Amino acid sequence: AQTVTQSQPEMSVQEAETVTLSCTYDTSENNYYLFWYKQPPSRQMILVIRQEAYKQQNATENRFSVNFQKAAKSFSLKISDSQLGDTAMYFCAFMSVGDGTASKLTFGTGTRLQVTL
Amino acid sequence: AAGVIQSPRHLIKEKRETATLKCYPIPRHDTVYWYQQGPGQDPQFLISFYEKMQSDKGSIPDRFSAQQFSDYHSELNMSSLELGDSALYFCASSFLGRADTQYFGPGTRLTVL
Repeated sequence: AQTVTQSQPEMSVQEAETVTLSCTYDTSENNYYLFWYKQPPSRQMILVIRQEAYKQQNATENRFSVNFQKAAKSFSLKISDSQLGDTAMYFCAFMSVGDGTASKLTFGTGTRLQVTL
Repeated sequence: AAGVIQSPRHLIKEKRETATLKCYPIPRHDTVYWYQQGPGQDPQFLISFYEKMQSDKGSIPDRFSAQQFSDYHSELNMSSLELGDSALYFCASSFLGRADTQYFGPGTRLTVL
């Protein structure tokens, strides 16, 4: 079974600054995807970024980028130029890429990010 | 772009009652997942369907059942409701089942009194 660990329950960052959220995972599989989802106060689950394990290049989406270290099983999220709208709970998630069956997401416990003025 | 639709958005039930949650996936998506998120917790996988067949099952109580219909929408049926069933229930959908990003609906907030 896979496990996902987010060791930072809460973080705070000032507007326009950069913050990094940590995530580690444990799996014996070689083929998988990793995700960061954002859950603002509205409770909607919003995809932030996706990383395929077979890709060496780190994924980026505008102000969001990841540092994927496959050997270390680490998958951190960097948010640059933080904005008030980034205030949310951030979940790291693992998805096995299996043999053609639908694959569930396994989530970490989340990091609550507060962006302040 | 069209998103996942869930209904109802809010539901209040008494203990031992029955509830039905509905999910309409993004057009052309053939896979549906159900997750339960308790207060202050991360989402927990309940069950998934690919091409109208159950593909995986998580920690779903026997009191719950679900199915996916010919138009790919899905329903989660919950019977003999307990106080502990109060949670946010998410439906997510993806295309071709495997190896694809899951997009979440807005959730149904179920309160059991």
